[in-house]
Amino acid sequence: QVQLVESGGGVVQPGWSLRLSCAASGFRFNDFAFHWVRQAPGKGLEWVALISYDGSNKYSDSVKGRFTVSRDDSKNIVYLHMNSLRPEDTALYYCARDRAYSGYEGSSNWGQGTLVTVSS
Amino acid sequence: QSVLTQPPSASATPGQRVTISCSGSSSNIGSNAINWYQQLPGTAPKLLIYSNNKRPSGVPDRFSGSKSGTSASLAITGLQSEDEGGYFCAAWDDSLNGWLFGGGTKLTVL
Repeated sequence: QVQLVESGGGVVQPGWSLRLSCAASGFRFNDFAFHWVRQAPGKGLEWVALISYDGSNKYSDSVKGRFTVSRDDSKNIVYLHMNSLRPEDTALYYCARDRAYSGYEGSSNWGQGTLVTVSS
Repeated sequence: QSVLTQPPSASATPGQRVTISCSGSSSNIGSNAINWYQQLPGTAPKLLIYSNNKRPSGVPDRFSGSKSGTSASLAITGLQSEDEGGYFCAAWDDSLNGWLFGGGTKLTVL
């Protein structure tokens, strides 16, 4: 079965960097796009980034220029590199698999999330 | 305007029918398919409806979706206590070149 396991979250100070990982299993990794979606405490869902099967990517305006999404098809892992972190980046970060290779069909399977807290 | 608007809350008694609306614009719902997600308390979101009105395997047919113009709706019939939680709509936005989520609707089963 499809499994997505996020890791790498933690407590950091404003301006610091963090790298999140999403280990995938149970399906042919190379055939799918992936998303990062975050949820601030008590708030709704916010799409952060997507990476298509070929490595092309897109970002929300709130993280563009600070976050980078990448994938390692040899390890079945998706990464989210987060730089210049701000208190408003505090959230539970979900990794989600798209229904298709492009990233335009929407998330079908979700991990359990990893918590990022940005605070001085 | 690139936002998806949902009512913040909805409620109904067990067995009743409830609908949740999602209003957008020509750059998102008006030109792209909509998905609906269910988030039960303390859990990750789960895909409930995709491509406006399709159910993934395992989702009961009590859940249905529809779209008209720049608005969409999720309907739940035969409401059950375990349906209580958050419901989010989502659509690709051509202007933002990214995904948009609605603000979410908290469903209470009275």
